[in-house]
Amino acid sequence: DIVMTQSPDSLAVSLGERATINCKSSQSVLYSPNKKNYLAWYQQKPGQPPKLLIYWASTRESGVPDRFSGSGSETDFTLTINSLQAEDVAVYYCQQYYNIPPTFGQGTKVEIK
Amino acid sequence: EVHLVESGGGLVQPGGSLRLSCAASGFTFTDYWMSWVRQAPGKGLEWVANIKYDASKMNYVDSVKGRFTLSRDNAKDSLYLQMNSLRPEDTAVYYCVRARNESEYDYFSSWGQGALVTVSS
Repeated sequence: DIVMTQSPDSLAVSLGERATINCKSSQSVLYSPNKKNYLAWYQQKPGQPPKLLIYWASTRESGVPDRFSGSGSETDFTLTINSLQAEDVAVYYCQQYYNIPPTFGQGTKVEIK
Repeated sequence: EVHLVESGGGLVQPGGSLRLSCAASGFTFTDYWMSWVRQAPGKGLEWVANIKYDASKMNYVDSVKGRFTLSRDNAKDSLYLQMNSLRPEDTAVYYCVRARNESEYDYFSSWGQGALVTVSS
C-alpha cells in the first residue's frame, strides 16, 4: 500500500497569513501515460463529511476559493492556503488514488493563531 | 445534485453483524464505482471497499477482507455493506462515497453524511 505522510500534524496561522501543508507519498503517484498525479486534497470541518478541494494535485474543485492551491509531483505535494480565513479552520487530508487501496494522509489540523 | 444517504448504523456487540445501506440520487447510479470510507472517533480517514458499477468487481482493505461484503442493487440505486464478525476497532463513522468519474482509480467528489457504527459490549 502507498503510505501518505503529512506534515505538520497541526499548525496555527494568523488570519490573512499563509498556511502550507505538505504531503509525501511512499511511491510516485504520477501516471506517466497521461502525466497526471493521482493526488487529491480534502477539507473536513467538525461534524461534517470531507469536502473535495483539489484533484490531479493542482486542479481546484468548482466553487473552492482561489486562495486554495495545490502543487507538487511524483512523491511530494503541497496544499497552500493564501490569506487564511476563519472559515478555513479544519483538518486537511491528502489522498492518493493511483493504487488500490486508496490511502489518506493522517490529516493536518489548521487553527487560527 | 448528487445525494447519498446512509442508514443502518448503531450499537453492536463484538462478533456481531450489521448492514449499512446507502441510498443514492441525483445521478445515474449504474455509471459509477461506489465506495465506503470510514473514520474512527477522533481519527483520520480510511477507505474500506469499493464496487464496480455492474458489481462484477469489488476491492477491500485488508483489515476487513473476509468479514465485510459490499453489494449494490442498481434497480434501487442502493449500496450495501454487510459487516460480520465486528470488532471494537471497526467503530467508526462510515461514509458512502462516489468518485467524480467512471473509473476505479479516481478521487472522491461526493460524500454522504455518514452512519455511526459502534462495536462495544
